[in-house]
Amino acid sequence: NAGVTQTPKFRVLKTGQSMTLLCAQDMNHEYMYWYRQDPGMGLRLIHYSVGEGTTAKGEVPDGYNVSRLKKQNFLLGLESAAPSQTSVYFCASSYSGRTNYGYTFGSGTRLTVV
Amino acid sequence: AQSVTQPDIHITVSEGASLELRCNYSYGATPYLFWYVQSPGQGLQLLLKYFSGDTLVQGIKGFEAEFKRSQSSFNLRKPSVHWSDAAEYFCAVASYFGNEKLTFGTGTRLTIIP
Repeated sequence: NAGVTQTPKFRVLKTGQSMTLLCAQDMNHEYMYWYRQDPGMGLRLIHYSVGEGTTAKGEVPDGYNVSRLKKQNFLLGLESAAPSQTSVYFCASSYSGRTNYGYTFGSGTRLTVV
Repeated sequence: AQSVTQPDIHITVSEGASLELRCNYSYGATPYLFWYVQSPGQGLQLLLKYFSGDTLVQGIKGFEAEFKRSQSSFNLRKPSVHWSDAAEYFCAVASYFGNEKLTFGTGTRLTIIP
């Protein structure tokens, strides 16, 4: 039972390069989220999805795009990476919008932009 | 807008000593409240959650938390810490009415000394 799987786990990008982070969940969850974690700032929501084919902006969406073409996958894209996007990125999923079910988190992707 | 404050950035306790991590929330209605734990290099794991009813909730790994509406607090406690409890702890709040998003605090890093 994999839960939430994030790939890659580590990546170094040069400024201006693009990349896609993949999040896959095998729990049939409707809701998926992308957070970034920075020292002293906790987790901040980038984008989220309430179902296949839907996406919505979170707290810090600028510089990122997302897609949810399949229910089990949620992709986070950086079109032109900037050093300010150096962070640890976490994907999470939940059974429904009622947060009483809690979130299941992936183990994170550490991204460095030089 | 909902918010969470964790006033302690870093706490050090001796193994076997008691622990209390503070969390204050701001939300206009009845909140859902959560504590998550993050071990080094790992994703977040749900420790416990409060929705309604008994204001003292029990979680995994021997943790408990008490909801105090009058103080807008949801402090996490453990009577006797173990070296394996060293981690970062996040408090989070969500809307009682099923808002899709959790709002996290900035976290408290717990160090255990022998």
